[in-house]
Amino acid sequence: GENVEQHPSTLSVQEGDSAVIKCTYSDSASNYFPWYKQELGKRPQLIIDIRSNVGEKKDQRIAVTLNKTAKHFSLHITETQPEDSAVYFCAASNNNDMRFGAGTRLTVKP
Amino acid sequence: NAGVTQTPKFQVLKTGQSMTLQCAQDMNHEYMSWYRQDPGMGLRLIHYSVGAGITDQGEVPNGYNVSRSTTEDFPLRLLSAAPSQTSVYFCASSYSEGHAAKLFFGSGTQLSVL
Repeated sequence: GENVEQHPSTLSVQEGDSAVIKCTYSDSASNYFPWYKQELGKRPQLIIDIRSNVGEKKDQRIAVTLNKTAKHFSLHITETQPEDSAVYFCAASNNNDMRFGAGTRLTVKP
Repeated sequence: NAGVTQTPKFQVLKTGQSMTLQCAQDMNHEYMSWYRQDPGMGLRLIHYSVGAGITDQGEVPNGYNVSRSTTEDFPLRLLSAAPSQTSVYFCASSYSEGHAAKLFFGSGTQLSVL
């Protein structure tokens, strides 16, 4: 089955700086790559996603890039704010089976 | 519009007991799934369903059963609880018909097995 690795496991940035989280996947048949944000004690919530026929997608301060050849994708958050502090999960899916990375705990210091 | 509703929110079991975690969605989603979340391990897929009457195994199915008799409900059964099943369980359904995309998660069930 699919195996998703996520780095780093923790990330601390100063408010206003950028944050980058990277993931690799193993199954070349995976075609959908979402990112979820989970605040403490809450449910994961989808923040952005990308399909395999697209190389980059942006939504305000967040963007995701995908390199199918290298089987890796990244989340970029610009102008970070304290409310961006949370655990972020990447995932990869081949239609019905979605596998998640282990998560990155992002802390944005004011 | 309640979204995805999970019950109970908290549960404590003794080793060997059985129980059912309930999950219901009112969005007419075809795809539903169950994940467990353990510290440092992300979310691991237990079982999923692409529609009523159809279920399949995910990454960690052992010790769990599911059924999908209606579009709305997708209960997860623990047959004989073990301490290794102590975890937070999330049910999710999908906006995207027929397959896992844009998952919408329930609020979770925190399960402790003593």
